[in-house]
This record gives sequence, structure tokens and C-alpha cells, in this order.
Amino acid sequence: GQNIDQPTEMTATEGAIVQINCTYQTSGFNGLFWYQQHAGEAPTFLSYNVLDGLEEKGRFSSFLSRSKGYSYLLLKELQMKDSASYLCAVDGNNRLAFGKGNQVVVIP
Amino acid sequence: GAGVSQSPSNKVTEKGKDVELRCDPISGHTALYWYRQSLGQGLEFLIYFQGNSAPDKSGLPSDRFSAERTGGSVSTLTIQRTQQEDSAVYLCASSPAAGGNTIYFGEGSWLTVV
Repeated sequence: GQNIDQPTEMTATEGAIVQINCTYQTSGFNGLFWYQQHAGEAPTFLSYNVLDGLEEKGRFSSFLSRSKGYSYLLLKELQMKDSASYLCAVDGNNRLAFGKGNQVVVIP
Repeated sequence: GAGVSQSPSNKVTEKGKDVELRCDPISGHTALYWYRQSLGQGLEFLIYFQGNSAPDKSGLPSDRFSAERTGGSVSTLTIQRTQQEDSAVYLCASSPAAGGNTIYFGEGSWLTVV
């Protein structure tokens, strides 16, 4: 089975940096994904990690440690439009299992 | 369009009625997923199709739920004798293949059972 754990909510100031953590337990592993979901919209793909280490993509970076079952998403230079839910998803046994998501609220 | 297409986008139905939700995946994508998301909750896996393999139905919450995928493309999720707790957004996603490929979501079908 799969178990994915994320904190539920955090507030951060525009221009700041925020780190969103995700821990997981899974019987199979084909990679870990981060998705962004604005209220009332479908999730959109942000990043994918399958090997240990940091993947950087513009203002967003994602880190993976397979031995620790741990990932984080780093959001830099926060903008108001980054207010959304950030979903961690693990691909195990050929299906994606999602965590409940972390709601990030960006304030001026 | 180039994305995953779902219909209807919104559906209000009376308790006890059957509903069908349709998903048209991205052309050439062999893997297709259905998820359900209740208000303020995470995504709940329902069912997964990969090519001609038997689908993974392990996430379907009850025997009132079923899904088909015809010709390896379009999929239909059917909910029989709907209940109020079935109210949610039903999200379809597709990917080029199984295992480690990014999945792309449709806009969802918002179901309200009254």
C-alpha cells in the first residue's frame, strides 16, 4: 500500500521562500511528483523526481531522498498567484497516490 | 484540443439516479486514471487503465461504481443509484505509459447529488 503525509496549511509573505515537506511509504516506487492546484481547478504538473537530489525549475525546486521516503518542494520569490494547494504524489505500482495537499496562502 | 477532455463539466442529479461521466484522454496516451476529490479533500484514486491490460479497480468505493474504456481511448465512469456522498469532482487523467510518466488532468466533472 501507499501512505503519503503532508502538513495541511501554511502562510507566507510575498517575496519569501517556503518549503513544503512530504513523507511517504510505498511498496513500489517509480517517482515522486508535485502538482499545484488552485481552488476549483484541476491539478497542474510542477515537478518530477525519481533519483535522489535536487531538481530546479525556475522559482520551484524539488528534492528527493528515497532512503528516507522524503521530498520537499521549495518555492522562492513567492508571488500572490502561488496561493494554492500543493500536492505530493508517489508513483508506486503504476498508479499515482496523492497526499491531501498543503494549502499555501501568500499574503502581501 | 490537445488536453484531456471531460464531460459534463457540471452535473446535478437526484439521489437514486444513474450518471455517466466521460473522459477523452490525450491522443496516444495509453494510461488513463479516474480520481475523485471531495470538497477540501485530497485526490482519491478510483480506477486505472493501461493499454489492453485488465484495469486496476481497487479504488472503486462500492459496486455502484464502474468504468469502461472503449478502443483504448475514451472512458466512461458510471455511478448507479447515486447518493449524496457521491457529490465530488471526478477528475480524469492520462499519461503516455505506465510507471514514472507525468499524468495530465482534465478539468473535472463536478457532480452534485441532491
